[in-house]
Amino acid sequence: DSGVTQTPKHLITATGQRVTLRCSPRSGDLSVYWYQQSLDQGLQFLIQYYNGEERAKGNILERFSAQQFPDLHSELNLSSLELGDSALYFCASSVTPFTEAFFGQGTRLTVV
Amino acid sequence: GNSVTQMEGPVTLSEEAFLTINCTYTATGYPSLFWYVQYPGEGLQLLLKATKADDKGSNKGFEATYRKETTSFHLEKGSVQVSDSAVYFCALSGSQGGSEKLVFGKGTKLTVNP
Repeated sequence: DSGVTQTPKHLITATGQRVTLRCSPRSGDLSVYWYQQSLDQGLQFLIQYYNGEERAKGNILERFSAQQFPDLHSELNLSSLELGDSALYFCASSVTPFTEAFFGQGTRLTVV
Repeated sequence: GNSVTQMEGPVTLSEEAFLTINCTYTATGYPSLFWYVQYPGEGLQLLLKATKADDKGSNKGFEATYRKETTSFHLEKGSVQVSDSAVYFCALSGSQGGSEKLVFGKGTKLTVNP
């Protein structure tokens, strides 16, 4: 158990819908990362937060947004979902941006 | 920008064979380097790390040495087991464009046959 908790574990939704994925980082970790893993694209970095502030942005679509709350948990919002958004979404956390990151078990999103 | 290149898989070995998975990186400054492992149906787990040149990270029989002169961090294990079958990711953490990022390679799938 990495100490990073992601909910829900599985999500099935229809095209055009909006979903929210939640991540609770390890106790003491200030930095949160979101990644998308699909079969053909590998592990894609989406966005990173540190102590509530956005620190780095990767290949995150405009339909996606995220935030980190004062209690340090983070949410990833995916809207106007398309079939191609079906993937595993991982959250990771670390003490600081330069230290090793610990991953949650992921949320498997299926868009039908 | 910062990037990681690791050998393409899949890699198939027999039990007790020697394993090498190559990883090279491009980065400014002095990044930290990591190997992560992902077992089927699970999230990524940190396998080992090295934070400065010539450091050797090791865990569960796996080793990797941070080689700044060759910008490499190859993963090795002397005798693999069936339970080592997984996808292995090389990663670096470093500053890029004023922000810190954790950058991953594409992953190498290892299958170990009995």
